[in-house]
Amino acid sequence: DGGITQSPKYLFRKEGQNVTLSCEQNLNHDAMYWYRQDPGQGLRLIYYSQIVNDFQKGDIAEGYSVSREKKESFPLTVTSAQKNPTAFYLCASSFRDGVYEQYFGPGTRLTVT
Amino acid sequence: QKEVEQNSGPLSVPEGAIASLNCTYSDRVSQSFFWYRQYSGKSPELIMSIYSNGDKEDGRFTAQLNKASQYVSLLIRDSQPSDSATYLCAVRGDYKLSFGAGTTVTVRA
Repeated sequence: DGGITQSPKYLFRKEGQNVTLSCEQNLNHDAMYWYRQDPGQGLRLIYYSQIVNDFQKGDIAEGYSVSREKKESFPLTVTSAQKNPTAFYLCASSFRDGVYEQYFGPGTRLTVT
Repeated sequence: QKEVEQNSGPLSVPEGAIASLNCTYSDRVSQSFFWYRQYSGKSPELIMSIYSNGDKEDGRFTAQLNKASQYVSLLIRDSQPSDSATYLCAVRGDYKLSFGAGTTVTVRA
């Protein structure tokens, strides 16, 4: 089955710890994205990657880091510098960046206490 | 001014009625427009995309785009309880997809 997988589904961490969220796709999509969703708010773009070994900051990149070493994978690290990390994190991909539709993975719900 | 604004909702409609969702956007050069459905606790699911002015129909869903007025709408005909969800409008700008905050629809039996 083609699709986007994210793991884990739920993640609990103590304040001050870095945590890495996994995102994998087997759709042969070039572009991948990370969003954050807070209750009652729209999605906000954290980072995006149009091609392997290249990525750009989105609107709220501070406190986050990413890598794109493989076309299929785009992991997101939430660092201790992120002031309000508790949120629903969504990974998406599209055939290419631009007009093409973006499809979302199931999401990771991160809680930091 | 927010980049993408949706009617705030929540919107409650009886089963079988038409639900009408509206979205306005600020970037005049936007060319691609999308509607996503998001059930509570789940990720957004793409239900419609529209690129040119006019109407686009897919089953019970109709998207309408008016670039001159900078609005895009979604009509859900013959609403079913399974349509109860939050609907997100998304607009493609220079380098990113901008999302509205969403409109929550409840279809009452």
